[in-house]
Amino acid sequence: EAGVTQFPSHSVIEKGQTVTLRCDPISGHDNLYWYRRVMGKEIKFLLHFVKESKQDESGMPNNRFLAERTGGTYSTLKVQPAELEDSGVYFCASRPGQGGTGELFFGEGSRLTVL
Amino acid sequence: SQKIEQNSEALNIQEGKTATLTCNYTNYSPAYLQWYRQDPGRGPVFLLLIRENEKEKRKERLKVTFDTTLKQSLFHITASQPADSATYLCALLSGYSTLTFGKGTMLLVSP
Repeated sequence: EAGVTQFPSHSVIEKGQTVTLRCDPISGHDNLYWYRRVMGKEIKFLLHFVKESKQDESGMPNNRFLAERTGGTYSTLKVQPAELEDSGVYFCASRPGQGGTGELFFGEGSRLTVL
Repeated sequence: SQKIEQNSEALNIQEGKTATLTCNYTNYSPAYLQWYRQDPGRGPVFLLLIRENEKEKRKERLKVTFDTTLKQSLFHITASQPADSATYLCALLSGYSTLTFGKGTMLLVSP
């Protein structure tokens, strides 16, 4: 069974440009999460989808960040326009909709560098 | 404010010894607590979950304790091996179904 996949693994852009990160969760997982780790800090929650609906987006830093999950399958996280402080590693995680232990299955992350 | 604290300094131990990592939290009443392992350049990998009504959980060489009075979890790796070297993250359920992570503790096991 394929795990959570994220693309790109690394993106280098200039301040003011736009970047779109993609996450493909494990097939059948209704819950999809985005997290971010800025250097030296803890992994921080950004938002949570249940199927195609945003369950909780309290962690989104500002309106330059837009997350979508059309059709309840893969998700995209767009940063527009990117700022220097957006640099970090963006992790996607998924878990089944019901039951299970609550464990999250993480992707390998997308490293974003804003110059 | 809510806080999750893990030892910020790396823990260095010799192969074969028991490693003990600490997770302290404040202003949470978590229904459960999870531990993850993260290797450099990789995503976190789930290890163990312990619920608020459980005192201890074991899985192979791993043992987790959870003291809701002290607001503390201890994570033990017995008979440690160099392959156990990684960063270990503590995570608590906060809100509806959101996990909040500590910064993690790096463990280095020397041969």
